[in-house]
Amino acid sequence: EAGVTQFPSHSVIEKGQTVTLRCDPISGHDNLYWYRRVMGKEIKFLLHFVKESKQDESGMPNNRFLAERTGGTYSTLKVQPAELEDSGVYFCASSQGASPSYTFGSGTRLTVV
Amino acid sequence: EDQVTQSPEALRLQEGESSSLNCSYTVSGLRGLFWYRQDPGKGPEFLFTLYSAGEEKEKERLKATLTKKESFLHITAPKPEDSATYLCAVQGGSSNTGKLIFGQGTTLQVKP
Repeated sequence: EAGVTQFPSHSVIEKGQTVTLRCDPISGHDNLYWYRRVMGKEIKFLLHFVKESKQDESGMPNNRFLAERTGGTYSTLKVQPAELEDSGVYFCASSQGASPSYTFGSGTRLTVV
Repeated sequence: EDQVTQSPEALRLQEGESSSLNCSYTVSGLRGLFWYRQDPGKGPEFLFTLYSAGEEKEKERLKATLTKKESFLHITAPKPEDSATYLCAVQGGSSNTGKLIFGQGTTLQVKP
């Protein structure tokens, strides 16, 4: 079984630019989550999709972040415009049911300069 | 507010030297406490879920226990390959999703 795939693995962009991160969950997993870890802090929840619907987006920091999940398959997280404080590692995870014993991807390391 | 605190931040052990990692939590109605292992450059890897006080789970050299205020991850006779960051997370009763609150983790180094 293929795992959760995220790309790019690394991205370096300038402040004010736009970046789109992609996550391909495990096939058949209806639940998809985005988390991020900024330097020196704990991993924090961003949002949760069930199929193509946003179940919980309480962790999205502001309206510069836009997440989509087309057709309930892969998901994208767009940051526009990027700010310095957006730097960190963005993780995607998926699960079959709602239990958080989910599978994480390896993350996308985003650096905003 | 739901909160998770892990201690120590870092732990260095000699191979075979057993120890425990602590995870203290405050949550409104615990639905589950989760332990993950994270290797450098990788995402967290699920280890255990504990649901109620008194519950214990084991996997190889790892044993997780749960009380009403904290969880311990006991590592018995560790090997160098156990070196990693161990993350604790809780799912609170106020959450109607699979949202987790993570601690900052304990980075374990086991020397041969």
